[in-house]
Amino acid sequence: NFMLTQPHSVSESPGKTVTISCTRSSGSIASNYVQWYQQRPGSAPTTVIYEDNQRPSGVPDRFSGSIDSSSNSASLTISGLKTEDEADYYCQSYDSSSVVFGGGTKLTVL
Amino acid sequence: EVQLVESGGVVVQPGGSLRLSCAASGFTFDDYTMHWVRQAPGKGLEWVSLISWDGGSTYYADSVKGRFTISRDNSKNSLYLQMNSLRTEDTALYYCAKDNPADYYYGMDVWGQGTTVTVSS
Repeated sequence: NFMLTQPHSVSESPGKTVTISCTRSSGSIASNYVQWYQQRPGSAPTTVIYEDNQRPSGVPDRFSGSIDSSSNSASLTISGLKTEDEADYYCQSYDSSSVVFGGGTKLTVL
Repeated sequence: EVQLVESGGVVVQPGGSLRLSCAASGFTFDDYTMHWVRQAPGKGLEWVSLISWDGGSTYYADSVKGRFTISRDNSKNSLYLQMNSLRTEDTALYYCAKDNPADYYYGMDVWGQGTTVTVSS
């Protein structure tokens, strides 16, 4: 099995742009899709990015996803930060018989 | 409206057993793979198990393999998690989650609100 490593926390000011990374420990990041989930305190997770870079309906285009094979990592970028974006963010991928979550990143918008 | 409602979480002693249930509505249940995901207090998400649409394939995290069993009853639109030999480290909020509509990868698109399992003497 592989691991997904995320920074524990990031912070940025409203209106700015922040990027959260997710590095895969073994195997190619491009071999399996990466999803990103947002979890606000006291709530269940919701999907903000699926299939590396696709946004579900209702998710603003301020949210974007990408992968970088050179660093074997995925990234979630949030532009035009709003206070409502403050939450925990998790990346997720899989292999043929398991699902793996990153450890989560706490985004503070201050 | 697509909805998942978990139940069955209680306080149980170490070594005990428990069965969680998840009632699904608003979608064709037997079309989808389903997952259990847990979150220990103050910690991140941990995938626990998945079951294919027909129950023919089941997979488990190493941390629960041999102790937990996932199952489903498509006639009742229900998902289950039988938890045996419970440990204090199994204490968590347990989420039921629906897999995405695409048939070629694992990723959750709908989550329940969770049910809390506490393992304590």
